Amino acid sequence: DIVMTQTPLSLSVTPGQPASISCKSSQSLLHSDGKTYLYWYLQKPGQSPQLLIYEVSNRFSGVPDRFSGSGSGTDFTLKISRVEAEDVGVYYCMQSIQLLRTFGQGTKVEIK
Amino acid sequence: EVQLVQSGAEVKKPGESLKISCKGSGYSFTSYWIGWVRQMPGKGLEWMGIIYPGDSDTRYSPSFQGQVTISADKSISTAYLQWSSLKASDTAMYYCARSASFFGSLRQLDYWGQGTLVTVSS
Repeated sequence: DIVMTQTPLSLSVTPGQPASISCKSSQSLLHSDGKTYLYWYLQKPGQSPQLLIYEVSNRFSGVPDRFSGSGSGTDFTLKISRVEAEDVGVYYCMQSIQLLRTFGQGTKVEIK
Repeated sequence: EVQLVQSGAEVKKPGESLKISCKGSGYSFTSYWIGWVRQMPGKGLEWMGIIYPGDSDTRYSPSFQGQVTISADKSISTAYLQWSSLKASDTAMYYCARSASFFGSLRQLDYWGQGTLVTVSS
């Protein structure tokens, strides 16, 4: 199984300031088809998870451009350029290169 | 508008059976996979398995193989997750989510249901 390790596990951010979450996979997520199957989700309090970023750096429909994803191979980063109050929740990375999909432990983002 | 609407919360006793549902609308139900994800109280997300309603191709996480059954009825655009004998450790929120592909590109779980809370207690 591919283990996804996120850091930090919690983050307290002042509104308007940037935030960054790291996700490392135990194996490369680069597929032979040239795509890298790494995703980012946000689970807001009391809600279902929602897709933010697919294939490392592509924002899903309706996701604000303050969210960006980067990385390659085994190291990935989600950045929020200017955190807003509505960005609170738990962020998860997920890999889909293997039949057994796995998620990171989650990073809880709070507002100071 | 793509929607996945899940059945309501359930309270069951250990040993009882249960089948929860996830109804898709706003898209071609038979052209997308439906995955199931577990979230135990206060914990993270765990991928359980996935089904392609078009031909009922089903894949399970080894952790859930034999513990649950995933099925779908394409005639009513509904996927199911069922247990034959619940345990207290099955207490969790269960989410269904759509995926355009399992083997190809577009593997993301792009739309999610609202979740079904299953509580198993004697």
